[in-house]
Amino acid sequence: DQQVKQNSPSLSVQEGRISILNCDYTNSMFDYFLWYKKYPAEGPTFLISISSIKDKNEDGRFTVFLNKSAKHLSLHIVPSQPGDSAVYFCAGYGNKLVFGAGTILRVKS
Amino acid sequence: GAVVSQHPSRVICKSGTSVKIECRSLDFQATTMFWYRQFPKQSLMLMATSNEGSKATYEQGVEKDKFLINHASLTLSTLTVTSAHPEDSSFYICSASGRGYNEKLFFGSGTQLSVL
Repeated sequence: DQQVKQNSPSLSVQEGRISILNCDYTNSMFDYFLWYKKYPAEGPTFLISISSIKDKNEDGRFTVFLNKSAKHLSLHIVPSQPGDSAVYFCAGYGNKLVFGAGTILRVKS
Repeated sequence: GAVVSQHPSRVICKSGTSVKIECRSLDFQATTMFWYRQFPKQSLMLMATSNEGSKATYEQGVEKDKFLINHASLTLSTLTVTSAHPEDSSFYICSASGRGYNEKLFFGSGTQLSVL
């Protein structure tokens, strides 16, 4: 049972434009949702999170939106930079983290 | 931020041998450590959760006799893949959480295991 889904395996965006990474979930018991960023040969690093009782959280260029009725969350990166090129994992947290499969973001300069 | 050191980063071994992977929290006390496994283009799948000083809790479908986890101190956890076979080839990654960090896990850099 895939509780967290990232249906787009990859995304390519021009530098300066908005990157939108999407994530869907099926488990209504998640308390938090988190986004992690992963560079090759490195472990994931925490990026931003959102509580299940909120619908938006912003941190600099990164904003996460949560639509509980649709069981959907998205990560917006504005403006996108080449250094943002990485794999992005969304995760739901109830009593443990459950990860999506990741989306490869490529920001072209 | 907190640092988690994992090594080796890559190991190649013969079928039937055992491989130990270490995970250390360098600047905080990791009360809980998690071990994940990732197949190419798939999610990070939780294998087990270990709390310092107690036995690990394994996820359904993970053989505890195959994947031995030891969390003997607040800064070190080890995963031993016993009698490794080619199907155990995978990317293994640890993560740790400590007091006050809540859900913000800190990850090691991962170990790519290849069993010949």
